[in-house]
Amino acid sequence: DIQMTQSPSSLSASVGDRVTITCRSSQGISNYLAWYQLKPGQVPKLLIYAASTLQSGVPSRFSGSGSGTDFTLTISSLQPEDVATYYCQKYYSAPFTFGPGTKVDVK
Amino acid sequence: QVQLVQSGAEVKKPGASVKVSCKASGYTFTSYDINWVRQATGQGLEWMGWMNPNSGNTGYAQKFQGRVTMTRNTSISTAYMELSSLRSEDTAVYYCARSGGEWELDYWGQGTLVTVSS
Repeated sequence: DIQMTQSPSSLSASVGDRVTITCRSSQGISNYLAWYQLKPGQVPKLLIYAASTLQSGVPSRFSGSGSGTDFTLTISSLQPEDVATYYCQKYYSAPFTFGPGTKVDVK
Repeated sequence: QVQLVQSGAEVKKPGASVKVSCKASGYTFTSYDINWVRQATGQGLEWMGWMNPNSGNTGYAQKFQGRVTMTRNTSISTAYMELSSLRSEDTAVYYCARSGGEWELDYWGQGTLVTVSS
C-alpha cells in the first residue's frame, strides 16, 4: 500500500505568517490528493482536492500544489480561526490513506 | 442541501458488534460512494473503507478486513457500517463521508461515538 507522510507534525506561527505543510506519498499518485481541516469537536472539512482545487466556500488564503509524490498546503496569512490539525489524503486507489496530520497553533 | 445524518452514540462490550447508520439527503444517494472514517481519541483520521450505494460493491482497508461490513438500503437512502469483535482500541468517533466528483470526501456526517468498555 502507498504510505502518506506529513511534515512537520506540529508548528506554531504568528497571525499573518505564511504557513506551509508538506505531504509526501511513497509512490506517485498524480494529483489525486485532498487536504482536510479538523478542529476539536468538529467534523473534518474539505479544503483542497485534486491537489490544488479550492473547495467552494474555503477562504482564498488556503492553497495547494504538487503532483506525483510531493504536495504542499499553504496558508498565506495565518488567522486565529485556522488553529486545527490538517490532514492530507490520497484517493488514487484504495486504500484512501490519510497522512498522520499536522497540528497548527497560533503563537 | 447535502446532508449525512448518523445514528447516535453507542456503548458496547468487548467482543460485541456495532452497526452505525448514515442517512443521506439532498442528492441522489446512488450516485456517490460512501466512505467510513474513524478517529480515536488523540489519534488521526483512519480510512476504513468505501461502498458504492448503486451496486453495493465495497472495498475495505486491510486492517478491518473480516471485521467490517458496509451495506445500504437504497429505499431509505441509508448506508450502514457494522464492526464486529469490538475491542477497546475500537473506541472512536466514526464518520460517514460522501465521495465527490473526484473521489474527495466532500460531505461528512456529524460523527458517531462508539465506546467499547467492559
